[in-house]
Amino acid sequence: QKEVEQDPGPLSVPEGAIVSLNCTYSNSAFQYFMWYRQYSRKGPELLMYTYSSGNKEDGRFTAQVDKSSKYISLFIRDSQPSDSATYLCAMRVGQGAQKLVFGQGTRLTINP
Amino acid sequence: GAVVSQHPSWVICKSGTSVKIECRSLDFQATTMFWYRQFPKQSLMLMATSNEGSKATYEQGVEKDKFLINHASLTLSTLTVTSAHPEDSSFYICSARSPAFTEAFFGQGTRLTVV
Repeated sequence: QKEVEQDPGPLSVPEGAIVSLNCTYSNSAFQYFMWYRQYSRKGPELLMYTYSSGNKEDGRFTAQVDKSSKYISLFIRDSQPSDSATYLCAMRVGQGAQKLVFGQGTRLTINP
Repeated sequence: GAVVSQHPSWVICKSGTSVKIECRSLDFQATTMFWYRQFPKQSLMLMATSNEGSKATYEQGVEKDKFLINHASLTLSTLTVTSAHPEDSSFYICSARSPAFTEAFFGQGTRLTVV
């Protein structure tokens, strides 16, 4: 079993829709949770960073962490064609523990 | 955010030759740099972690003699793929971290094709 599971998709939605992306994990020691956006043939770009459980909102993006269920989500409101990319969840145990464990990534397409 | 520059963006080399990939932090001092490998439609797999001035720590299954990592300064780390073979063809991505930032920043990646 992988430490972090993420549905690779592909996921295709119309412009303006609300997108929900999810990851589950098995290591209860994970404390820091990130979402990255990766455009084709580019490096990942940090979108959201969350510590422990709860919600965090930044513009059209909302990250949720449910540690009791070992489940994290990223919601994108009013989705735009420019949001089309691969979204990777990532997590690590502690501040000093630098190793990031990534999900497989979900390929998202927003159709105009 | 801070900028991490990776060079080259893509490279094609002949089987048996060596290729060097550079990773530079342009506007901050990177105490730690990470090297990842990504196969098509797959996630990033950490290859090694390097701290400035010390030997890199390789992940299990990564051949240290094949993937040479040097982190000689606070702004530069290099990955050399020695005696490259077609199975080494992949997307290689570095990231750099400073204690001043919460998270590491990624380079744009290098697509290596070995023919």
